[in-house]
Amino acid sequence: LAKTTQPISMDSYEGQEVNITCSHNNIATNDYITWYQQFPSQGPRFIIQGYKTKVTNEVASLFIPADRKSSTLSLPRVSLSDTAVYYCLVGASNSGYSTLTFGKGTMLLVSP
Amino acid sequence: EPEVTQTPSHQVTQMGQEVILRCVPISNHLYFYWYRQILGQKVEFLVSFYNNEISEKSEIFDDQFSVERPDGSNFTLKIRSTKLEDSAMYFCASRADRVAGGGVPDTQYFGPGTRLTVL
Repeated sequence: LAKTTQPISMDSYEGQEVNITCSHNNIATNDYITWYQQFPSQGPRFIIQGYKTKVTNEVASLFIPADRKSSTLSLPRVSLSDTAVYYCLVGASNSGYSTLTFGKGTMLLVSP
Repeated sequence: EPEVTQTPSHQVTQMGQEVILRCVPISNHLYFYWYRQILGQKVEFLVSFYNNEISEKSEIFDDQFSVERPDGSNFTLKIRSTKLEDSAMYFCASRADRVAGGGVPDTQYFGPGTRLTVL
C-alpha cells in the first residue's frame, strides 16, 4: 500500500477555498486516490476519487498531476459545517477486497 | 439515498461480557467490512467479508472476534469476552461489486457507528 502524507491540521475561514495536499510518492500504476471526510463520532464519508488529471463533483475537486505522486483536494467556499477530518487514501482498484488503510488525516477547522 | 445502518448507537458492557454489534449494509452490496476507531486514533480495519466468508482480517481481529451474515440483510460483529481496550467506535461499511476491467473501483459506504464502552 502506498504511504500517504498530509498536513495534520489546517485552518480556514468561511467562504474561502481550501486546498489539502497529500503526498504519495510510491503510488503504483493501478492505484486510485480517494478522499474521505469524517465528522466527530460519525463514520467516514466518501468525497471524491480519481486516477489522474482532474475530477470534480458537487462537493469538491481533486487535482492529480501527471506524475501522480501527490494530489490536492479542493473545497470551494467552505462553511462551518466543513470542519472535519479529511483522509487521503491510495490503493489499487483490483487487488484484494479494497481494505481501506486510514492515516491520521488532516483536521480542517473552519472559523466564522 | 441508500445508507448503512448500525445498532445500537451506544453499547455499554462489563468486561468479559459478550456483545453483538449489528449492521444493515446497503441492499445490493456484496462486500462488507468492520472497522474500529479508538477515541482520538485512526480508523483501523478489522475484517472484510464476501460470499459468506471472511476474505481478509487484521491482527486486531483475533479469536475473540467473529462476524456473521445470519440472513440476507444483517451483518454482525461479535466480541466474545470484551476487554477494556475494546472500547471504541465500531464502523460497518459495505461496497457494491467490483467493476471489472479496471474501471473506477466502487467506494465503501460507512455506517454511523456503534460506540462500545467496556467498563
